[in-house]
Amino acid sequence: AQKVTQAQTEISVVEKEDVTLDCVYETRDTTYYLFWYKQPPSGELVFLIRRNSFDEQNEISGRYSWNFQKSTSSFNFTITASQVVDSAVYFCALRGTASKLTFGTGTRLQVTL
Amino acid sequence: GAGVSQSPSNKVTEKGKDVELRCDPISGHTALYWYRQSLGQGLEFLIYFQGNSAPDKSGLPSDRFSAERTGGSVSTLTIQRTQQEDSAVYLCASSLSPGRSKSYTFGSGTRLTVV
Repeated sequence: AQKVTQAQTEISVVEKEDVTLDCVYETRDTTYYLFWYKQPPSGELVFLIRRNSFDEQNEISGRYSWNFQKSTSSFNFTITASQVVDSAVYFCALRGTASKLTFGTGTRLQVTL
Repeated sequence: GAGVSQSPSNKVTEKGKDVELRCDPISGHTALYWYRQSLGQGLEFLIYFQGNSAPDKSGLPSDRFSAERTGGSVSTLTIQRTQQEDSAVYLCASSLSPGRSKSYTFGSGTRLTVV
């Protein structure tokens, strides 16, 4: 069985603070993919990143960065210098050999001025 | 189309009635998925289509739920004899065949309210 845990239910930060969203996963598959999605108040899920299990290089995209550590089964997401527009629910997800995505319960990020 | 289209965007129905939710995936996407998101919860997988077949129906919560896909395109999720616990946002996603796809594109969802 596959499982994704996002222990942080809700995080509040002040604009320009850095914030890290945690994601821990469980799978028995040796090949798998990890994803992050953003769900703004409008409700539509927006794809942010996909990582495969063989590539542990960290990735940076603008203010966003991801830290993948197989040793701890974690795929954490950091937003640097957060902005109000970053306010959303963020979901981590896992796909193994099955085609479906298994999602965590999400972390609600609130960025205030 | 440019994105995944779902209709209706909102549906209010009386307990016991049947409802049909529609998903129109991105043209050329052979894989289609239905998920359910209850208030404050994560996304719960319901069913996966590859073409017109459903190799994984493991997430359908009861036999009141069924889905079909025709022409490798549009999919319909049907809920019979709706119950209040069926109230949720039903999301559809599509992708190229899983081995070729980098990401899954989601629609805006259908918000179902059973009263």
